[in-house]
This record gives sequence, structure tokens and C-alpha cells, in this order.
Amino acid sequence: QSALTQPPSASGSPGQSVTISCTGTSSDVGGYNYVSWYQQHPGKAPKLMIFEVSKRPSGVPDRFSGSKSGNTASLTVSGLQAEDEADYYCSSYAGSNNFAFGGGTKLTVL
Amino acid sequence: EVQLVESGGGLVQPGGSLRLSCAASGFIFSSYWMHWVRQAPGKGLVWVSRINSDGSGTGYADSVKGRFTISRDNAKNTLYVQMNSLRGEDTAVYYCAREVGGGMHYWGQGTLVTVSS
Repeated sequence: QSALTQPPSASGSPGQSVTISCTGTSSDVGGYNYVSWYQQHPGKAPKLMIFEVSKRPSGVPDRFSGSKSGNTASLTVSGLQAEDEADYYCSSYAGSNNFAFGGGTKLTVL
Repeated sequence: EVQLVESGGGLVQPGGSLRLSCAASGFIFSSYWMHWVRQAPGKGLVWVSRINSDGSGTGYADSVKGRFTISRDNAKNTLYVQMNSLRGEDTAVYYCAREVGGGMHYWGQGTLVTVSS
């Protein structure tokens, strides 16, 4: 079991778009359409933003979108807002009842 | 309203044991797969374990395999994790979460486990 690879940081100005990558292998990200993304503000529990690669739970703004190509998944935040500043984590099913998280990306809104 | 409330955390010595509980309400607990996820202070999320809806199937991270046991009591709407042979690196906030489609849609507030002498 290995952690998925995310950039440690990302940033953008209000109104801009930013994309966060999540790289795994054919045994996790590339092998299943069970990639999800979580937002976590300091001191709070994580919040699901995207599941099954590109689906949004009810209540999540459509500014958040997900995609996957090969072994790399991506989360795009469009129209950045101040409240989007948070840590973001990807996760993927890795087979045999196992999951993996990425190391997290700190998103800064400049 | 879906609610997940963890309990059972605290200070434990290295080599000791602890059982965490997660009380679920607001949904049909027996219909959902459940997870434990932990987060060491200042660090990222780490998946710990998963159990299927009737408790017959489980999975564990390599770092806890053989030491932690996940279980559930669907009659009591409660998820558990029994943690044995605890180490300093197990120090973390432990969250329970409800899964749908590989995504953890609902999370508890977490309970802190500190392993220290």
C-alpha cells in the first residue's frame, strides 16, 4: 500500500482556476473509478467534494470538478473563492478492501 | 440527520490497547460500508480500515494489520476498532466515516488517541 502523490501546495487568485493532481498506479487510481476528493479546513473533519472520479455530492458547488486520465486524477476548482482555501486530499480504492489517501495539497487563495 | 460520534480516545502507554466506538444515527446503519481514517497531529489523512455492511468483509492498512480489528454491531448502530500493541506512531485523531461509491460521505468529529509513556 502506497500513498497517492499530490503536490504539497497550490495557489490561485480569486476568480481563477486551479487544478490539483493525484498520481497513483494501475492498482489504485488507474484501476478503479473510485477516486474521491476531500476538503479539510483547520480543526475540522474532512468534507467529501468529489466521488467516483467526477460526481459531486449534493450541496457541493459546481465550481468543483474531477477527472481522471490513466493513473492520474485531478481536482479543478474554478472561480476561486476565499473560502476554498483549505487542505485537499485525494483517495482511491486500491483493491482487496484497501484504500489509499494522497499526502494532501494546501490550497492558498492569494 | 446523519450523525457519527466517535468515543473512546485517550492517553495510553506504548504496547497498550484501546477500543474506539462510533455511534451512528439518522440512517440505516446496517446498509452501509464504514471506515476508520486517522490523522496524526499536523499530518495528512491516512486510511486505517474498512468493513462491509454485515461485517463479513474487512480490510486494513499494512501499518495496522494484525494489531487493529474493525467490527460493527448493527443492532446497536455502532462501529468499533480494537487497537492493540499501540505505538507512538498510532497517535492521531481517529475518524469514522460512512462510504458510498468509494467516497466517504459523512465523517464524525474524531477522537484523539495519544500513545505515550
